[in-house]
Amino acid sequence: DTAVSQTPKYLVTQMGNDKSIKCEQNLGHDTMYWYKQDSKKFLKIMFSYNNKELIINETVPNRFSPKSPDKAHLNLHINSLELGDSAVYFCASSQDIRNEGAFFGQGTRLTVV
Amino acid sequence: GESVGLHLPTLSVQEGDNSIINCAYSNSASDYFIWYKQESGKGPQFIIDIRSNMDKRQGQRVTVLLNKTVKHLSLQIAATQPGDSAVYFCAERGGSSYKLIFGSGTRLLVRP
Repeated sequence: DTAVSQTPKYLVTQMGNDKSIKCEQNLGHDTMYWYKQDSKKFLKIMFSYNNKELIINETVPNRFSPKSPDKAHLNLHINSLELGDSAVYFCASSQDIRNEGAFFGQGTRLTVV
Repeated sequence: GESVGLHLPTLSVQEGDNSIINCAYSNSASDYFIWYKQESGKGPQFIIDIRSNMDKRQGQRVTVLLNKTVKHLSLQIAATQPGDSAVYFCAERGGSSYKLIFGSGTRLLVRP
């Protein structure tokens, strides 16, 4: 069973489009995250939700909007996609907000053309 | 700002040798540290973690050492195998938000 699953795995889209990435975890964890990994492999936190409540919101353009319908799901919607949004986006989850031993999904490679 | 960095971007070792991957961190208030392994096309995978009240922790073939005096973290892999080839990230947790700050990664290449 996949612990943290995100879809799609690959996403190629044109500039200006709106797209969503979905994430689900079956670990019973309370806290979920979105990370962005750039072309140099640098991983940076974008958002964190604990039990559907936003707790970390890094300096991310307003075009990025996370949504957590329940604590097992955290989706990421991106409006008006730009070339610079091209990256690999990882969803992760941890037992609680202490963020210890977080599990990561397989990633969504977003390419904006 | 706070950052976590690595001394060696690429480390090449002979199969069977021990590997040591180093990491420097800058936030003396960080209380938790973690190592992840990322294989090509996959997400980061937890290896081992350590709290700031410890200076050593051992897992299966891996050991993490923490030197708070010089703000240094290392991951030791015993008897390195081809399957250990990956990018390794250290991360620190500091502050009330509990967010992890990742280093830039070290690529480990295992020569057969």
